[in-house]
Amino acid sequence: AQSVTQLDSQVPVFEEAPVELRCNYSSSVSVYLFWYVQYPNQGLQLLLKYLSGSTLVKGINGFEAEFNKSQTSFHLRKPSVHISDTAEYFCAVSDRGTDKLIFGTGTRLQVFP
Amino acid sequence: GAGVSQTPSNKVTEKGKYVELRCDPISGHTALYWYRQSLGQGPEFLIYFQGTGAADDSGLPNDRFFAVRPEGSVSTLKIQRTERGDSAVYLCASSLDGGRTDTQYFGPGTRLTVL
Repeated sequence: AQSVTQLDSQVPVFEEAPVELRCNYSSSVSVYLFWYVQYPNQGLQLLLKYLSGSTLVKGINGFEAEFNKSQTSFHLRKPSVHISDTAEYFCAVSDRGTDKLIFGTGTRLQVFP
Repeated sequence: GAGVSQTPSNKVTEKGKYVELRCDPISGHTALYWYRQSLGQGPEFLIYFQGTGAADDSGLPNDRFFAVRPEGSVSTLKIQRTERGDSAVYLCASSLDGGRTDTQYFGPGTRLTVL
């Protein structure tokens, strides 16, 4: 069965600094990968997804992620964060043969002024 | 347009009671999912509907949990004889067609607290 590992439970960063949130998954066979963001008291919102093609995926709010098949990783990056990026970020993989999403445990990004 | 809505937003109940959680998907979406998010964890899959039928219920933890979607739109998650361990945020999501590449749109969740 698929699994997703988010290596950092919390990432503190100052405003305008770059950030990388790490995500590794368990299998490289026919995976689809997603990053969702959860703002306080709101539902999960899709940031970006990798289905096929270019390994660099651009999403909303200036985020991007790179699919690395050899390292089974899908790290999320942003070159310059804002206070408003403070939220919980979840990496997820679409399980082969079904349509459910398997999520990591989340990374809390805290942006300080 | 309207997103996925869930009611109630909060539910407090006593151990042993029965609860129902409701999900209204985005209009026209044929696929509907239920997930459960415990404190400090990512969402965990419970059940997936394609239309009126449960296409995958492998995530339901035991027979106290049951979900229906009788008309292919609104869904209700039912929990019998609630236990303290059932306390969590229950998330509902819908997608247009239910394929693996289809984006799932999530509702704000129902926070269930079992005392």
